[in-house]
Amino acid sequence: GENVEQHPSTLSVQEGDSAVIKCTYSDSASNYFPWYKQELGKRPQLIIDIRSNVGEKKDQRIAVTLNKTAKHFSLHITETQPEDSAVYFCAAWYNNNDMRFGAGTRLTVKP
Amino acid sequence: DAGVIQSPRHEVTEMGQEVTLRCKPISGHNSLFWYRQTMMRGLELLIYFNNNVPIDDSGMPEDRFSAKMPNASFSTLKIQPSEPRDSAVYFCASSLRSGANVLTFGAGSRLTVL
Repeated sequence: GENVEQHPSTLSVQEGDSAVIKCTYSDSASNYFPWYKQELGKRPQLIIDIRSNVGEKKDQRIAVTLNKTAKHFSLHITETQPEDSAVYFCAAWYNNNDMRFGAGTRLTVKP
Repeated sequence: DAGVIQSPRHEVTEMGQEVTLRCKPISGHNSLFWYRQTMMRGLELLIYFNNNVPIDDSGMPEDRFSAKMPNASFSTLKIQPSEPRDSAVYFCASSLRSGANVLTFGAGSRLTVL
């Protein structure tokens, strides 16, 4: 089945710095890659997603890049703020029928 | 729309008891997913349904776990008998249709088995 690897598991940055989280996937047929943010005690919520026909997508301070050849995709957060502190999950659709998540990255933004 | 609704939000039970978790997906969504979240194993897919039909239950840990979706607006996840290692947060999520689409999660059901 699909295997999604996510790194790093924890990330600490200073407010205003950038944060990058990387994921790899195993199924070359995967074609949809969402990113979810989960605050403590809350549900995962979609923050950005990308489909395989696009190499990069931006939404204000958040961007996602996709390298289909290498089966890598990354989340970039610029000008980080304390409210960005959360656990971030990457995911990949597998076989067009279900979604598998990475293990998560705990991001801490220090003021 | 009220989003994906799960109940109960919290459940504390004793080992050996039956546990039933409930989910109401977003109206019009055709796919429903049950995930389990623990610190050790992260978000694990247990089972998902398309148009009320179970498609893949390979993630269900063992026969103690069962899930049903009798109609488009209701699903249950049952654990019988429950064990302490079942303690986790169980999330239900739904999407508009099968295939690569946005999942909307419920608030989760936190289960503690003593």
